[in-house]
Amino acid sequence: GAVVSQHPSRVICKSGTSVKIECRSLDFQATTMFWYRQFPKQSLMLMATSNEGSKATYEQGVEKDKFLINHASLTLSTLTVTSAHPEDSSFYICSAPRTGEIDEQYFGPGTRLTVT
Amino acid sequence: KQEVTQIPAALSVPEGENLVLNCSFTDSAIYNLQWFRQDPGKGLTSLLLIQSSQREQTSGRLNASLDKSSGRSTLYIAASQPGDSATYLCAVRRSSASKIIFGSGTRLSIRP
Repeated sequence: GAVVSQHPSRVICKSGTSVKIECRSLDFQATTMFWYRQFPKQSLMLMATSNEGSKATYEQGVEKDKFLINHASLTLSTLTVTSAHPEDSSFYICSAPRTGEIDEQYFGPGTRLTVT
Repeated sequence: KQEVTQIPAALSVPEGENLVLNCSFTDSAIYNLQWFRQDPGKGLTSLLLIQSSQREQTSGRLNASLDKSSGRSTLYIAASQPGDSATYLCAVRRSSASKIIFGSGTRLSIRP
C-alpha cells in the first residue's frame, strides 16, 4: 500500500525556537497534503491544506505566520512551527490523498512535538 | 459545515462480547467514510473504507455499515479481544481530494 512518512517522529525544543516537520509520500505523487493536530485525548483537527506550487489554505483560527507550510515538490510538504511555545506541544499528523481505483487518504505516523 | 459525532465517547466491555460503535454526520453529501484505529501515542491505522455508493464493508471481525441518507455509520466488532483496545475514529470526506473531517472518537477498552 501507499506509504506516507514523517520526520522526525519525536522532537523536543525550547520555547522560542522553530521546528520543521517533513511529510513525504514515498510511492506516489501528492499535489495536496493535509496537516492535522491532535491534543491529548482529543480528535484530529485539520490545520491546513498544503498545495504543491501554491499557497497553503489554513483553517479558521490557525495562524499562518506561525505554522508555515511549504509544498515544494509533489512528494514533500513541510510544516514549520515558528517561535514555538509550550501550548504548541501536540501530535502533528499529515495525510496525502491518492487517487485511483479506490481513492483513499494515507496518513503519516505522526510527529510528537514537545516544547519546554 | 460538516460535523461528525461519535457515541459513546468511551466504552468498556468484557472480552468476547460483540459491540457496536456509532458515528453520525450532518451533511449526507459525502464521498466516502472511513474508520480508523489509533493506539495511544501512535498514528492512525485505516480499518475500513466505505464508498458513498456502498452500504457496508467487512474485514475479519469488523463490519462497517453506512446509511448515507440518515447520516449514520456503525462499526461492529465481533468477539472482542483485549488487543482491540484503542480509540476508534470515524471520518468523512466530501470529495476524492478533499480534507477529512474526523469524529471525536470512541475510546474502547476490552477487559480480559
